[in-house]
Formats: sequence, C-alpha cells, structure tokens
Amino acid sequence: EAGVTQFPSHSVIEKGQTVTLRCDPISGHDNLYWYRRVMGKEIKFLLHFVKESKQDESGMPNNRFLAERTGGTYSTLKVQPAELEDSGVYFCASSLAGGPDTQYFGPGTRLTVL
Amino acid sequence: KNQVEQSPQSLIILEGKNCTLQCNYTVSPFSNLRWYKQDTGRGPVSLTIMTFSENTKSNGRYTATLDADTKQSSLHITASQLSDSASYICVVSEGTNAGKSTFGDGTTLTVKP
Repeated sequence: EAGVTQFPSHSVIEKGQTVTLRCDPISGHDNLYWYRRVMGKEIKFLLHFVKESKQDESGMPNNRFLAERTGGTYSTLKVQPAELEDSGVYFCASSLAGGPDTQYFGPGTRLTVL
Repeated sequence: KNQVEQSPQSLIILEGKNCTLQCNYTVSPFSNLRWYKQDTGRGPVSLTIMTFSENTKSNGRYTATLDADTKQSSLHITASQLSDSASYICVVSEGTNAGKSTFGDGTTLTVKP
C-alpha cells in the first residue's frame, strides 16, 4: 500500500511568487492534515480536512494560504503571494478516522522563499 | 496557551542502553497524546497513541506512559539500537477537535556504537 506522498519535495521561489503544494493521502483515508515546521521551531498544525470539508483551519497563518481538497482525495496548499517567513517544511498526514487514530505523514515539501 | 515541552533537548547513549524521554503539556481539553519518531529528512512516524484512560502503551522496544493528572508523559526505549538515532516528538491533541495538535520541539537521540 502506498504511503502519503507529497509533491514537490523541494521548491525554491522568490518573494511574491505563488507556489502550490500537493498531498496525496493513503487511499481511503478521509482525514487529511497539513502541518509545517519553520526553521528552528516545532511543527505546527495548519488545518484538518474530513473528506472535502475543512474541519478545522484555525492554524492557517493568514489569507495568503489556501487549502483545497476537491473530491475528497488529494489536497493542495497554495501560498500566494509567498513571503520570506513562509519558508519551512510542509507536512501532510492522513488517517482513516479522526481522534486518536494513527496519522501517517508524508515526507514533506521543503519550501524556500528568497 | 497550549504548550508541549520536551526534555532533554538532546541525548547521547551507547548502543544497548536504555533511555527515557520526558514530555510535559498544558493542552486542554485533552484528547490524546502521541509519540513520533522522525528520521532526518523524513516525516514523523507514529510510535504510540494514548487517550485519557490509558497510562501505558508499548510498541516493541518503545514504552510510553501517561499521567493525565500531572500532565506528563514519558517514552522509554529499551536496549537501544543505532537505528533509534532520530528526533522523538511528543504531540498532544485537543479534546473538542482531535485534529488540532500541539507539537513539542522534540528530543534528538543519538545512539553510538
């Protein structure tokens, strides 16, 4: 069974540009989470999808970030326009159920904004 | 403010030895506590998950404990192996929406031969 995949693995963009990160969860997992780790800090929760609905997006830093999960399968996280402080590693995770169910993480996308 | 604090920040042990990592949290309302292992350049991998009513959970050589009264957890690693070298992260999820989690900074464990 394929794990959670993320694309791209690395992205280097200039301030003001737009970047879209993609996450493919494990097939059949209704719950999808986005997290990010900025340099030197702990991983932080961004948002949680249940199927195509946003269950909790309280961790989204500002309106430059837009997450979608059309059809309840893969998800995208768009940053527009990107700022220097958006640099970090963006992780996606999925789980079959919510609550204390096991979350499976992808390898992350390393975003560098110059 | 919800917080998760881990100690020590880093730890070096010899192969075959045991070690214990600590996690204190102030997340409320509590839903569950997880320990993850994260190798460099990879995503975290779940080791254990404990809910409020559980005070110990094992996964092979990993044993986690939870004291919900004092809001403390520990991860004990038995008979360490070189492959245990990684960052170990404590994560606490909130009760009303268990999707929202607070992560600790992690403990970096190095196992030397």
